[in-house]
Amino acid sequence: DTAVSQTPKYLVTQMGNDKSIKCEQNLGHDTMYWYKQDSKKFLKIMFSYNNKELIINETVPNRFSPKSPDKAHLNLHINSLELGDSAVYFCASSQYSGGPTDTQYFGPGTRLTVL
Amino acid sequence: GDSVTQMEGPVTLSEEAFLTINCTYTATGYPSLFWYVQYPGEGLQLLLKATKADDKGSNKGFEATYRKETTSFHLEKGSVQVSDSAVYFCALSPLNQAGTALIFGKGTTLSVSS
Repeated sequence: DTAVSQTPKYLVTQMGNDKSIKCEQNLGHDTMYWYKQDSKKFLKIMFSYNNKELIINETVPNRFSPKSPDKAHLNLHINSLELGDSAVYFCASSQYSGGPTDTQYFGPGTRLTVL
Repeated sequence: GDSVTQMEGPVTLSEEAFLTINCTYTATGYPSLFWYVQYPGEGLQLLLKATKADDKGSNKGFEATYRKETTSFHLEKGSVQVSDSAVYFCALSPLNQAGTALIFGKGTTLSVSS
């Protein structure tokens, strides 16, 4: 069973389009995240949600809008796609237990290519 | 702010060679430290972690020790295999609270040849 899954795995689209990436976790975790990995493989946090509440919202263009319909899902919608949005987007989840920081488990990634 | 610095790659080794990938960090307080691995075309997998000073994380023959005095978390393996070829990321989690983001180093590409 896949713990953190993302769809689609690959997404090729034209500039100006709107697209969504879906993420689901079956680990029962309370917290979910979106990270962006650029062409040099550098990873940076975009958003995090805890129990469907937005916790982290980094300096990401407001064309990016996360949506968490329930604890197990965190989707990423992107409006008016630009060339610079091309990257690999990773979803992750963790279970905060109040002790030392819990491990984040990552999905397989979605490679977005904007033409 | 908090940050992670990894040695620049790529690192190229022959099978059975000894591996060290250096990682140092800057953080206020006492972060948790992680090594993640990304195999070609795949997502990130947790390799090992340490949550307090002097802790040693280990997995699949890899080890790293949390050194507070040198703010380091170097990754080591005594004998690498071709299957270890991947990108390795050192990361820290600065705060023990829900939703805390990981701060990653830039990754080190390891290539092992037979």
